[in-house]
Amino acid sequence: DAGVIQSPRHEVTEMGQEVTLRCKPISGHNSLFWYRQTMMRGLELLIYFNNNVPIDDSGMPEDRFSAKMPNASFSTLKIQPSEPRDSAVYFCASTPGPSGANVLTFGAGSRLTVL
Amino acid sequence: AQSVSQHNHHVILSEAASLELGCNYSYGGTVNLFWYVQYPGQHLQLLLKYFSGDPLVKGIKGFEAEFIKSKFSFNLRKPSVQWSDTAEYFCAVNPKAAGNKLTFGGGTRVLVKP
Repeated sequence: DAGVIQSPRHEVTEMGQEVTLRCKPISGHNSLFWYRQTMMRGLELLIYFNNNVPIDDSGMPEDRFSAKMPNASFSTLKIQPSEPRDSAVYFCASTPGPSGANVLTFGAGSRLTVL
Repeated sequence: AQSVSQHNHHVILSEAASLELGCNYSYGGTVNLFWYVQYPGQHLQLLLKYFSGDPLVKGIKGFEAEFIKSKFSFNLRKPSVQWSDTAEYFCAVNPKAAGNKLTFGGGTRVLVKP
């Protein structure tokens, strides 16, 4: 298995631009998580899905952030418009199902820089 | 709100020294507990986990952690570190009543000097 695949690995954009981050979970995994990692705030859970349904989006910073999971093999995290404070590494992770005992498998992350 | 606290943000030590990283959580119910590690330039991976049973759990690379329920703690230990243990370590908590929501601590950066 190729693991959790994220794209792009690096993105540099200007303030005000739209950013779309993509994630392909491990095949057969039914739960998907988006985390954001910054020096100041550590690793924050933004949103997670079970069976393509958003379960908890309380970590999404504000309305500029949105996430979708149109099918079991693809999810997007969109920021529109982007701001410099959104600069961070965004990780996607997946697990086999909605049990808290499952171990997360993380992707390599998408490093976003907003100028 | 539930929180996970890691007391040390940065730890610097020499090879062969012992390591202990603290982790405390605020949730009062039954929990699943994890330690993840992020080596430089890599993504997070599981170090060890505790679900139930023996509160002393052993993970990969000689790491172990002890769950002390009365102290809401899950500290990570390694008797003798190596240079290759340089990484960032994250404690994570899943309250069993919260489905599969996993909350991470702020992380501890460990630098092992050769």
